[in-house]
Amino acid sequence: EAQVTQNPRYLITVTGKKLTVTCSQNMNHEYMSWYRQDPGLGLRQIYYSMNVEVTDKGDVPEGYKVSRKEKRNFPLILESPSPNQTSLYFCASRGPDRRNYGYTFGSGTRLTIV
Amino acid sequence: LAKTTQPISMDSYEGQEVNITCSHNNIATNDYITWYQQFPSQGPRFIIQGYKTKVTNEVASLFIPADRKSSTLSLPRVSLSDTAVYYCLVGAILISSGSARQLTFGSGTQLTVLP
Repeated sequence: EAQVTQNPRYLITVTGKKLTVTCSQNMNHEYMSWYRQDPGLGLRQIYYSMNVEVTDKGDVPEGYKVSRKEKRNFPLILESPSPNQTSLYFCASRGPDRRNYGYTFGSGTRLTIV
Repeated sequence: LAKTTQPISMDSYEGQEVNITCSHNNIATNDYITWYQQFPSQGPRFIIQGYKTKVTNEVASLFIPADRKSSTLSLPRVSLSDTAVYYCLVGAILISSGSARQLTFGSGTQLTVLP
């Protein structure tokens, strides 16, 4: 089944403790992206990657890092998490031509920083 | 990036047809219109996409007038399971066009289907 898989689904952690949220897709998609969703603010793009070793900032990149060493994986790294990064995070991917299927999103990661 | 405007919420009853309109006055020539559906705590799911006139698939229809400054998502005979947030997005079609960072979600329209 074609899908985007995120892990973990839920995480509660403490301020300052480095964490990584993994994202993997099995559709051989070039483009991957991370979003965070907060009440009243909709989905906001954090980082995106157009292909292996090509990443760029989205609208809210502060406090996050990403890497794209392999086509299928696009982990989101929080080096020193803070409570304002408590949010619902989504990873998404798509192929080079968005004409037919749009973006495929993962099931989400609910992150709580205390 | 073309800004979109949608109603914040809509209510409907089971079996009715629902039309959600999105305004995008500054849509560009290369922009397509895409609609997504999102259930609570789930990722958005692609519904339909179009450039002009009418597009229909197994779940919805998309109507786009000639000036393309708005679009209407039509859901036939909704059921309780169609209760969700619906997002209208406008952006260039190809990543190679340089607009890879687009796909900006607005607040969407909360559709509530009542029994």
